[in-house]
Amino acid sequence: DQQVKQNSPSLSVQEGRISILNCDYTNSMFDYFLWYKKYPAEGPTFLISISSIKDKNEDGRFTVFLNKSAKHLSLHIVPSQPGDSAVYFCAANFGNEKLTFGTGTRLTIIP
Amino acid sequence: NAGVMQNPRHLVRRRGQEARLRCSPMKGHSHVYWYRQLPEEGLKFMVYLQKENIIDESGMPKERFSAEFPKEGPSILRIQQVVRGDSAAYFCASYSEGTGYTFGSGTRLTVV
Repeated sequence: DQQVKQNSPSLSVQEGRISILNCDYTNSMFDYFLWYKKYPAEGPTFLISISSIKDKNEDGRFTVFLNKSAKHLSLHIVPSQPGDSAVYFCAANFGNEKLTFGTGTRLTIIP
Repeated sequence: NAGVMQNPRHLVRRRGQEARLRCSPMKGHSHVYWYRQLPEEGLKFMVYLQKENIIDESGMPKERFSAEFPKEGPSILRIQQVVRGDSAAYFCASYSEGTGYTFGSGTRLTVV
């Protein structure tokens, strides 16, 4: 029962272009969504989050969009940089409970 | 201002042995979560603990796995009689309202 889905296991983007990572969820109880970045042999590090009362949150090069009716969120990175190459996980929870993670998307930025 | 500390970073166990994974949360954090990442998969919730209490263990396998977070000392995830399928990366996260979730670097368990 995969409640948070990332359907693209990998994505390659040219340096300087926009990277768009997608995430879908099925549990309508989720009220908080997070994106994590993970390098090999390290733990996930928090990137950006969004509450269900918003549809957009921006932090520097990173923007997260939430479409509640479609149960879909996306992470935009612009401009993409080589250091952005990593695995990105979408996660969700409600009421400050445990996080439910997607399976991740491996982003490769091509110089 | 240390983050979440997990040790050991790498652990090799033979089938049938016990594995003990330790997690020291960030200073002032009293909520600890354990997650497991199998190869090519996302992180799966295992257990949520507060000091001396298990709050949610719905993700823990029913047998061989246990967790504790004593009043003093780190949280311990214990796996008895390990099998090859237990090979995974185990991550601990601590939580506070102010800082949210902070993950450790994980323990990579290999069962041979």
